[in-house]
Amino acid sequence: EPEVTQTPSHQVTQMGQEVILRCVPISNHLYFYWYRQILGQKVEFLVSFYNNEISEKSEIFDDQFSVERPDGSNFTLKIRSTKLEDSAMYFCASTLRRYGYTFGSGTRLTVV
Amino acid sequence: AQKITQTQPGMFVQEKEAVTLDCTYDTSDPSYGLFWYKQPSSGEMIFLIYQGSYDQQNATEGRYSLNFQKARKSANLVISASQLGDSAMYFCAMRDCPTDSWGKLQFGAGTQVVVTP
Repeated sequence: EPEVTQTPSHQVTQMGQEVILRCVPISNHLYFYWYRQILGQKVEFLVSFYNNEISEKSEIFDDQFSVERPDGSNFTLKIRSTKLEDSAMYFCASTLRRYGYTFGSGTRLTVV
Repeated sequence: AQKITQTQPGMFVQEKEAVTLDCTYDTSDPSYGLFWYKQPSSGEMIFLIYQGSYDQQNATEGRYSLNFQKARKSANLVISASQLGDSAMYFCAMRDCPTDSWGKLQFGAGTQVVVTP
């Protein structure tokens, strides 16, 4: 069964450093998303991406965040200058059909 | 404003019994989709079941069924014949953008289910 692949599974970074979280969506999917889940809290929408541009973003997705689809397969989330409160599980998701959102297994980001 | 409400933070259920997880939602859009996801302790999000607002029948997927009561704005998940592997966090989510079938999901706070032998 096709999967959404996220790397790394766990990343530890120092406050103020830049991090790039990587995702390989399912190959024929057209819509891509990033969500985050702070430990013990609910899953929050960050950004959606379609046709090489952001289609929607949340209040969380400020100027410190950016997304890119640098080639036909990768979809990345960059955090320019990490803060302690950025520590969370970050999920990539993709979809083709109206109900077929597939999530990756997540990247646990720890900012120290 | 809170759009998805899961009032049960945690539940214990015995193996082989059925369990119902509550979910209520709030939207003024006539077209929306409701989803349930399972998150085991390993962290991944596993899609379980989908219900569209115009679907005439309640959705079923194996041991999972969705008790959709549109007038009450509720979409409860029923897991029949619970197994130990069902122990996980369960999230209800909604997509409520009628003009965009690919819109974002909004999640509830989740219900932690523990299945006991």
